[in-house]
Amino acid sequence: EAGVTQFPSHSVIEKGQTVTLRCDPISGHDNLYWYRRVMGKEIKFLLHFVKESKQDESGMPNNRFLAERTGGTYSTLKVQPAELEDSGVYFCASSKQGPRGETQYFGPGTRLLVL
Amino acid sequence: GNSVTQMEGPVTLSEEAFLTINCTYTATGYPSLFWYVQYPGEGLQLLLKATKADDKGSNKGFEATYRKETTSFHLEKGSVQVSDSAVYFCALSGDTGRRALTFGSGTRLQVQP
Repeated sequence: EAGVTQFPSHSVIEKGQTVTLRCDPISGHDNLYWYRRVMGKEIKFLLHFVKESKQDESGMPNNRFLAERTGGTYSTLKVQPAELEDSGVYFCASSKQGPRGETQYFGPGTRLLVL
Repeated sequence: GNSVTQMEGPVTLSEEAFLTINCTYTATGYPSLFWYVQYPGEGLQLLLKATKADDKGSNKGFEATYRKETTSFHLEKGSVQVSDSAVYFCALSGDTGRRALTFGSGTRLQVQP
């Protein structure tokens, strides 16, 4: 079974540019989460999809971030325009629907550097 | 809101030493507790978890017990190996509503031969 994949693995852009990150969850996983780790700090939650619906987007920092999950499969996270403080590692995770405490499976992350 | 506090790193140990990484949490109700590990150049992997009080999670020689009375989930291993060098994250998910994980800041472990 393929794991969670993310693309690209690294991205270097200039302030003001746009970047789109992609996440492909494990097949059959309805839950998809985005997290990020900025400057070696703790990993912070951004948002949660159940299938194609946004279940919880309370962690999105501002309206420069837009996430979509068309058809309930892969998801994209677009940052437009990027700012210096957006630099960090963006993780995607997926899990099956089930009781609380289900395991979230993480992708390798996308390392974003905004110059 | 929910929060997780884990010991600052880095932690440097010699091979075969005993490991403890402390983790305490703040949450209402009965959260589920997790330890994730990130090996160099890789993504986060679940190491172990516990979903109710007094449960012990274990994997690869690592153990952690869900202590409700002390709101703790300390990670232990009796004899570490060089291959255990990684960053360890303690995390929790709430028992109602929100399923997102709340993470601690991570503890880097370096095991020397």
